[in-house]
Amino acid sequence: GNSVTQMEGPVTLSEEAFLTINCTYTATGYPSLFWYVQYPGEGLQLLLKATKADDKGSNKGFEATYRKETTSFHLEKGSVQVSDSAVYFCALTMMNYGGSQGNLIFGKGTKLSVKP
Amino acid sequence: DSGVTQTPKHLITATGQRVTLRCSPRSGDLSVYWYQQSLDQGLQFLIQYYNGEERAKGNILERFSAQQFPDLHSELNLSSLELGDSALYFCASSVDGRAKGTQYFGPGTRLLVL
Repeated sequence: GNSVTQMEGPVTLSEEAFLTINCTYTATGYPSLFWYVQYPGEGLQLLLKATKADDKGSNKGFEATYRKETTSFHLEKGSVQVSDSAVYFCALTMMNYGGSQGNLIFGKGTKLSVKP
Repeated sequence: DSGVTQTPKHLITATGQRVTLRCSPRSGDLSVYWYQQSLDQGLQFLIQYYNGEERAKGNILERFSAQQFPDLHSELNLSSLELGDSALYFCASSVDGRAKGTQYFGPGTRLLVL
């Protein structure tokens, strides 16, 4: 079946460090890929997305590139801030024949802590 | 603020009881999704509605049911509650329910079954 695997956390970094959170997927068709972020006590917010191979999603300094050849969608940020501390979820949706099914399939989440 | 509202924010109840969780989607969104977040299972899709009709079903137990009303708000009914149903329940909405679309999440309802 379709699934998402992301690196286990927690990840602890110092402010201004480089961030990579690995995400790989298994899918039978052509998924759309997403990164969502969950701040403490809040719901999920879309961070970025990519809907086809080689697309790069970017937002707030975060980037991820849809790599079909390696089935990956790794999240990167060049210089993290304390305010980036949160749980990050990689997710996919699959287009069914009618193009209408859009439920998200999530990875287990990676907790990021950024220290000043 | 995503524009998706969920009530109540917290719910404490006993095993065997029944509860109803309510979700109002963003203005203009026709599709509503329900997800369950628990420590052992992570985030799991339960069910999706589009314009009042069920569109997709995930790992939803038979004790759980949902519906979307003509005004597009949705309710998730959980019955014969068990300890293991304790979780955070999220509602999300999107414009058309399509795979490429963005889903906007509500703040969640935290359910504790004692």
